[in-house]
Amino acid sequence: SYELTQPPSVSVSPGQTASTTCSGDKLGDKYACWYQQKPGQSPVLVIYQDSKRPSGIPERFSGSNSGNTATLTISGTQAMDEADYYCQAWDSSAYVFGTGTKVTVL
Amino acid sequence: EVHLVESGGGLVQPGGSLRLSCAASGFTFTNYEMNWVRQVPGKGLEWVSYISSSGSTIYYADSVKGRFTISRDNAKNSLYLQMNSLRADDTAVYYCARDQGNGGGFDYWGQGTLVTVSS
Repeated sequence: SYELTQPPSVSVSPGQTASTTCSGDKLGDKYACWYQQKPGQSPVLVIYQDSKRPSGIPERFSGSNSGNTATLTISGTQAMDEADYYCQAWDSSAYVFGTGTKVTVL
Repeated sequence: EVHLVESGGGLVQPGGSLRLSCAASGFTFTNYEMNWVRQVPGKGLEWVSYISSSGSTIYYADSVKGRFTISRDNAKNSLYLQMNSLRADDTAVYYCARDQGNGGGFDYWGQGTLVTVSS
């Protein structure tokens, strides 16, 4: 079955840029989405179709997808961005979520 | 405003059954694909099942295939998940989520309902 691998954790200082990756076989041939989940809350879609932002998502969130890797970038990271982030893709009649990355704003 | 409200969770013994419901409001339910996603507390997200807008196309994760059944009633703006032969590793918070389709992701999620499988 298809797998999406993410680093367990990423740390960033306030105001700096945080990037996290999502790796999967030929992921660039599929659409990647990204979700943010804060403790005790439901996930929130922050990026869809590789690089598009839903209404209401700040411009500091951006995404890219090429080759075997999708990347979520948070520019000018704020304390409120501290959360778990999950990538997602569709493969062979199934959705797959990544393993998740905890982004810590130090 | 879009709302998705899950219900039906609770404590069930191994081997038992449970039916989850998701009440949708604030959008034209019949136009959207829907999904169930679960999450073991403290762990990651796991996709469970997908249903097309008409209900004619359905997919399941391998972990639930043959035990869970997704369905929808477009007249009642409701999504369901019938869970049979429940196991301890089905214990999780279950979310329903609206699917934008074509790589658009799950743009709205419910608050989740906890299913605990234990004797």
